[in-house]
Amino acid sequence: GAGVSQSPSNKVTEKGKDVELRCDPISGHTALYWYRQRLGQGLEFLIYFQGNSAPDKSGLPSDRFSAERTGESVSTLTIQRTQQEDSAVYLCAITLTGPRTYYGYTFGSGTRLTVV
Amino acid sequence: AQSVSQHNHHVILSEAASLELGCNYSYGGTVNLFWYVQYPGQHLQLLLKYFSGDPLVKGIKGFEAEFIKSKFSFNLRKPSVQWSDTAEYFCAVTGSSNTGKLIFGQGTTLQVKP
Repeated sequence: GAGVSQSPSNKVTEKGKDVELRCDPISGHTALYWYRQRLGQGLEFLIYFQGNSAPDKSGLPSDRFSAERTGESVSTLTIQRTQQEDSAVYLCAITLTGPRTYYGYTFGSGTRLTVV
Repeated sequence: AQSVSQHNHHVILSEAASLELGCNYSYGGTVNLFWYVQYPGQHLQLLLKYFSGDPLVKGIKGFEAEFIKSKFSFNLRKPSVQWSDTAEYFCAVTGSSNTGKLIFGQGTTLQVKP
């Protein structure tokens, strides 16, 4: 949606390769989240950033997954040594006010990752 | 741990039929509840939300949802669906004491036949 840009929109990679997914949020957001949506399943929380606090990495499925945020702007999600089960749509979402306001997320359009 | 369960994975209705999509959550504290919709080829969008107050919440496009605390439920309803309501619907919950992290249900695909 307006306010969150993700790239690439589609990515096909060979098993074992590393991939980097990018999320470019509107300035002024206060929290940034990564989710994964596998085919036919709901959204699975991966990681959360807010301000200078340590990120909540509790949803990362393995140590092949990592994410960073540059200042309070661009975030990248890196998947090393990709596996076929990593195939999914990876969604970035932001909140435009403090997380306790709970006015809902603004989602990006996602990156569709296919591991062949 | 929090969890959300949506009972119906795939619903097929004819136009003008009434809709009710079930959502149950598991969380012991105060919750904030959401329904999101994803139309074909579009982003996830907020349909409606409940924070506090009147348990019957009205959202966009004629949708409403009722929070029943005793049943841990937040079912989505619409009296008369339209073909344009064809989409995937997600229920989500966050506890008021956590970081704002939303836990989503598996989603329900609604197909409305013209």
